[in-house]
Amino acid sequence: EDQVTQSPEALRLQEGESSSLNCSYTVSGLRGLFWYRQDPGKGPEFLFTLYSAGEEKEKERLKATLTKKESFLHITAPKPEDSATYLCAVQAKNNQGGKLIFGQGTELSVKP
Amino acid sequence: GAVVSQHPSWVICKSGTSVKIECRSLDFQATTMFWYRQFPKQSLMLMATSNEGSKATYEQGVEKDKFLINHASLTLSTLTVTSAHPEDSSFYICSATQGATDQPQHFGDGTRLSIL
Repeated sequence: EDQVTQSPEALRLQEGESSSLNCSYTVSGLRGLFWYRQDPGKGPEFLFTLYSAGEEKEKERLKATLTKKESFLHITAPKPEDSATYLCAVQAKNNQGGKLIFGQGTELSVKP
Repeated sequence: GAVVSQHPSWVICKSGTSVKIECRSLDFQATTMFWYRQFPKQSLMLMATSNEGSKATYEQGVEKDKFLINHASLTLSTLTVTSAHPEDSSFYICSATQGATDQPQHFGDGTRLSIL
């Protein structure tokens, strides 16, 4: 069964304290792995897509990496505005409709 | 680019009424739209997938007669919660993809539905 597990469930950082969020996945052939940011009461905001092991993407203080079993979202020198829930999702190759399987998310809190 | 608008953002209604939620892709044509439900502190649960001009595909356990989905054009999909009851209260979110199925889904800002 295709599955996505994110850790930790919650992460509290001081401003400037770099860290990483983990997304472990089991899927019968990966078509793509997606990272989203979700603020309270809002829909998820797209951050990155990764398609193959070894691929990396960067955007401001965020960097996403991918291996055959997991993805990391590295946050460098975070700011309070980076506080949000970060969601990881995978899409399997055998899925014709583009369905995503989401993890439970990591709730990040950055204190000034 | 890739903006998805969802309306209304918040609705309160009495038990037994039907509620329609609209999802529009504003600057692209959405080949596929998705409807999710999200409970507090939980992740997104896919309810159904819809393609323009065809019947929606519902996930196991989702009542298609309760949650009616119409995808009449490449920029508009609607979700109608029929005869809503308090247990239908939730946060409903739509998303849309442009082009190939491996493209990212772009999400609306959700609709908070409260049934009294």
